[in-house]
Amino acid sequence: EVQLVESGGGLVQPGRSLRLSCTTSGFTFGDYAMSWVRQAPGKGLEWVGFIRNRAYGETTEYAASVKGRFTISRDSSKSIAYLQMNSLKIDDTAVYYCRVGDYGQWGQGTLVTVSS
Amino acid sequence: DIQMTQSPSSLSASVGDRVTITCRASQGLRNYVAWFQQKPGKAPKSLISAVSSLQSGVPSRFSGSGSGTDFTLTISSLQPEDFATYYCHQYDRYPYTFGQGTKLEIK
Repeated sequence: EVQLVESGGGLVQPGRSLRLSCTTSGFTFGDYAMSWVRQAPGKGLEWVGFIRNRAYGETTEYAASVKGRFTISRDSSKSIAYLQMNSLKIDDTAVYYCRVGDYGQWGQGTLVTVSS
Repeated sequence: DIQMTQSPSSLSASVGDRVTITCRASQGLRNYVAWFQQKPGKAPKSLISAVSSLQSGVPSRFSGSGSGTDFTLTISSLQPEDFATYYCHQYDRYPYTFGQGTKLEIK
């Protein structure tokens, strides 16, 4: 059974950093790209970014709203994807989901609250 | 950025009804359109990829179709568990984008 579990969310002050983890099991992690999607309270879904698998150089793509502040990485030896979030803004407050590839299984999400 | 405009934004329907949700893209897309279902307080669930490919375990009453700029999600006979919010998603061009959502409510 495919499972994705996000962790690392919490309350953080504006301007600070936070790293989210997406721990996976039940599939061959190295074969798949991994995505991050967020959802602000009461709002719709927003694509954050994406990391390709090793065969495609583990390259990344980002939404304009996070480019230069957020970094996606992966550790295939541990089957974990990461979302490093720097220079956090109040507008980054959201539930953050990881997802297998472009349309696969989603994790349950982790809430990030940016507030002073 | 490609805008994905869903219609309607909300919809009231009854169990057994046939429902269609439309998603219009601001530019023509290849067949890289997906649909997701989300229930309150839960993570989204993948229903359809590549316009019309049903994800494993998704009931056959769900179907997707379309091409170019116009895509649809159809539920052939609504069941009580189908009342949720539905999102379309293009993964053809970066940045990937979602529709604003369609909330399907019980009439």
